[in-house]
Amino acid sequence: DGGITQSPKYLFRKEGQNVTLSCEQNLNHDAMYWYRQDPGQGLRLIYYSQIVNDFQKGDIAEGYSVSREKKESFPLTVTSAQKNPTAFYLCASSIAGENTGELFFGEGSRLTVL
Amino acid sequence: AQSVSQHNHHVILSEAASLELGCNYSYGGTVNLFWYVQYPGQHLQLLLKYFSGDPLVKGIKGFEAEFIKSKFSFNLRKPSVQWSDTAEYFCAVNNRAGGFKTIFGAGTRLFVKA
Repeated sequence: DGGITQSPKYLFRKEGQNVTLSCEQNLNHDAMYWYRQDPGQGLRLIYYSQIVNDFQKGDIAEGYSVSREKKESFPLTVTSAQKNPTAFYLCASSIAGENTGELFFGEGSRLTVL
Repeated sequence: AQSVSQHNHHVILSEAASLELGCNYSYGGTVNLFWYVQYPGQHLQLLLKYFSGDPLVKGIKGFEAEFIKSKFSFNLRKPSVQWSDTAEYFCAVNNRAGGFKTIFGAGTRLFVKA
C-alpha cells in the first residue's frame, strides 16, 4: 500500500539531546513537509522540500534541521536548540507545483522531552 | 505574513443540526483551498479542496464548502451532522506566491452529541 511512514511513534528524550524523526514515502511525491501540531495552534510548518537536495524553512524552523538526499525520505532532527520540543510532529507529502497542496499525512511522532 | 483564521475553536452540536465552520485567509492572488479532518485516533485526511471553477465544492460525507473571493473566505458546511462527524477540522491554503507551502488554521474541534 502507498503511504507515509513515520517512526518512531513515541519518543522520549532528555533535555540537551538531539533526536531524529524518520519520514518515508512511497507515493512518488516530489514535495515533502514537516509540521508541528500543538493544541489550539493547528499545524505549523517547520520545513518543506519541493525537490531532492533542496528545502526551505517554514514558519518555525529555529531549532530544527532536515535533509532531503532521497526522494522518498525527509528526516527531521530536533536539536537541543529547540526551546519547546515536546509536541506531535507530522510528516506529509504532495505532488509539487500548481494545483497541489493536497497533502498526505503520516500517523505522526509524539516527542516528549523529560 | 500569510495566515489562515478559523473562527471557532470549539463547537458543540446535537445530531441533525446544521454546521458551518468559518475560515478566512490573508493571501492575495490565486489560492488553493482545503479542509482537512482529523477523527479521534486517526491521521489527518482531506475532506475537500478547491483549485478553480465552481466556488461551491462538495467533499466526502456530505460536506461542502463555498469559496467567496471577495471575502477571502472558504467556509465549511454540512446540513445535518452525525455523531460520527466528531473530529477536528482544519482549513488550509497555499498559493504560488507562497511557494506552494500549505498553511493551516488553528483548527476547530467539533463535538456532536448523540
